[in-house]
Amino acid sequence: QKEVEQNSGPLSVPEGAIASLNCTYSDRGSQSFFWYRQYSGKSPELIMFIYSNGDKEDGRFTAQLNKASQYVSLLIRDSQPSDSATYLCAVNRSNDYKLSFGAGTTVTVRA
Amino acid sequence: DAMVIQNPRYQVTQFGKPVTLSCSQTLNHNVMYWYQQKSSQAPKLLFHYYDKDFNNEADTPDNFQSRRPNTSFCFLDIRSPGLGDAAMYLCATSVLQGVSTDTQYFGPGTRLTVL
Repeated sequence: QKEVEQNSGPLSVPEGAIASLNCTYSDRGSQSFFWYRQYSGKSPELIMFIYSNGDKEDGRFTAQLNKASQYVSLLIRDSQPSDSATYLCAVNRSNDYKLSFGAGTTVTVRA
Repeated sequence: DAMVIQNPRYQVTQFGKPVTLSCSQTLNHNVMYWYQQKSSQAPKLLFHYYDKDFNNEADTPDNFQSRRPNTSFCFLDIRSPGLGDAAMYLCATSVLQGVSTDTQYFGPGTRLTVL
């Protein structure tokens, strides 16, 4: 079982719609969860992080965390063509606090 | 602006010819990381430094070495690059290791091509 799993996509959504990305993790002791955006050929860019169960909103982005289900998600509201990228979920490892990354979900926003 | 800088952005080397990649940071972060990322794959942690303390991942090949001469700079040395080492190499920094809320910030990456 992979430490962090994401649907690879591609996830295609029309402009203005909501994109929903999912991530599950295996380390029950993980405490910090991060979403990075990575444009093709570029490095990961931090979008947001979440530590507590529930929702956290930052602009058009909402992260949702459910530690009991070992599940974290990212919602992108009012999707724009500039949101077209690969979104990486990262989870801190409970034994040493380094990050485990998922392989990413590729999102394409259709104009 | 405080940032993480990587040089060169693109590096071409020949099979077996040693290569060094560079990372510098103006964030004054304690920890510096090196990741390898191949196409459509997750970034894979190679090693990290907490100040001058070097920490190697168990599955990092001996072909990969690193140096951190001071807080600002960190180098990745690939002693004998193989075709399978062609990848994006990412440097990241964070403030403090061992804190559950520690956040990593990435440099722009170096794309390595091995001929």
